[in-house]
Amino acid sequence: ELKVEQNPLFLSMQEGKNYTIYCNYSTTSDRLYWYRQDPGKSLESLFVLLSNGAVKQEGRLMASLDTKARLSTLHITAAVHDLSATYFCAVDIVTSGSRLTFGEGTQLTVNP
Amino acid sequence: NAGVMQNPRHLVRRRGQEARLRCSPMKGHSHVYWYRQLPEEGLKFMVYLQKENIIDESGMPKERFSAEFPKEGPSILRIQQVVRGDSAAYFCASSSLQNYGYTFGSGTRLTVV
Repeated sequence: ELKVEQNPLFLSMQEGKNYTIYCNYSTTSDRLYWYRQDPGKSLESLFVLLSNGAVKQEGRLMASLDTKARLSTLHITAAVHDLSATYFCAVDIVTSGSRLTFGEGTQLTVNP
Repeated sequence: NAGVMQNPRHLVRRRGQEARLRCSPMKGHSHVYWYRQLPEEGLKFMVYLQKENIIDESGMPKERFSAEFPKEGPSILRIQQVVRGDSAAYFCASSSLQNYGYTFGSGTRLTVV
């Protein structure tokens, strides 16, 4: 059974600081996704990572994928309050029916 | 392009009643997925459907829950005889064969009182 684990689950940081969220998964996967969810809202797609060594950046967020280590990271640079949200990583394996398995989520709070 | 449309946004049911949640996928998407999110938790896969076919229902509870995606109309997630533990946010996502990625709807927040 595919398992996806994120850490930390809760992260409180000051504006201007950098931090990294980690996502480990237990079996070989086809694609890794990062989503953002604001309270009471739906999921907003941030990144899709397809291959080993993939790195994508959007604003203050950068995601990377190491398929050999089965690890993805979401790095936050110079955090701002607007980044406060819950971040989920998710993995899918097309041959297993193409569905997403989610991590528990990292609840990020950026304090002024 | 309206995206994935779910309705209702909020649904309140008394214990024992039935809940029907609807999902219209994005235009051009023929794959529909339902996920459940309990408070303070991640999303858990429930069922994957294509038109008139259930492809994978391994995440569906064995009783009271059913899903369909008819030839015409939206996908329906049906929960019979709801209990308090069914209170959750139910999200629908759609995808196509042509590109990877899943688009999520705004969700239906079910409250059982």
